[in-house]
Amino acid sequence: QSVLTQPPSVSGAPGQRVTISCTGSSSNIGADYGVHWYQQLPGTAPKLLIYGNSNRPSGVPDRFSGSKSGTSASLAITGLQAEDEADYYCQSYDSSVSGSKVFGGGTKLTVL
Amino acid sequence: QVQLQESGPGLVKPSQTLSLTCTVSGGSISSGSYYWSWIRQHPGKGLEWIGYIYYSGSTYYNPSLKSRVTISVDTSMSQFSLKLSSVTAADTAVYYCARDDDIGGMDVWGQGTTVTVSS
Repeated sequence: QSVLTQPPSVSGAPGQRVTISCTGSSSNIGADYGVHWYQQLPGTAPKLLIYGNSNRPSGVPDRFSGSKSGTSASLAITGLQAEDEADYYCQSYDSSVSGSKVFGGGTKLTVL
Repeated sequence: QVQLQESGPGLVKPSQTLSLTCTVSGGSISSGSYYWSWIRQHPGKGLEWIGYIYYSGSTYYNPSLKSRVTISVDTSMSQFSLKLSSVTAADTAVYYCARDDDIGGMDVWGQGTTVTVSS
């Protein structure tokens, strides 16, 4: 069981907007530790998509956005494209276990 | 730009020690801004953080693996390494190294290396 909970799968048609949730607790997201999001295309290494809750690294399209509220965070993808079909992971820090970085279980995005 | 490359045996026998190295190029491993992490991904599963090291040698490990993990750094070679002892089939996974920052996340990843534990 992951410390951060994500839905196993989400789907959407091209052009639509989808959101992926990441639910934590008072010892991680709720403790004001930053949430980062990664995109993993099939057969490739993860790629940083969002850092520090809502910041996009250079080169990441503004179709991707992140937010955080309380003990949860969300990744939103607008204008869905076929190439967005991938696994998405949230990641944060958990203070209940010293020095521990934690990942969500991952969400498979299917573009219909 | 900074690039990371994992290397090491792709096959390890049960009960032996898995050893991997990550070579950092295009930047300094001694940059005080970053940690250097190892992450693994079991076949068809999600990401699992193994641990990280600071250039000074300070280490932090996943509690579930702590008793078997050692991460070390060789700044002269621009490398950091992972050792996982007493491996079993459950340690079969793709192992990634990554540059890590508390504020900026894991922003640079190696391509990953597959390690199979089998006799």
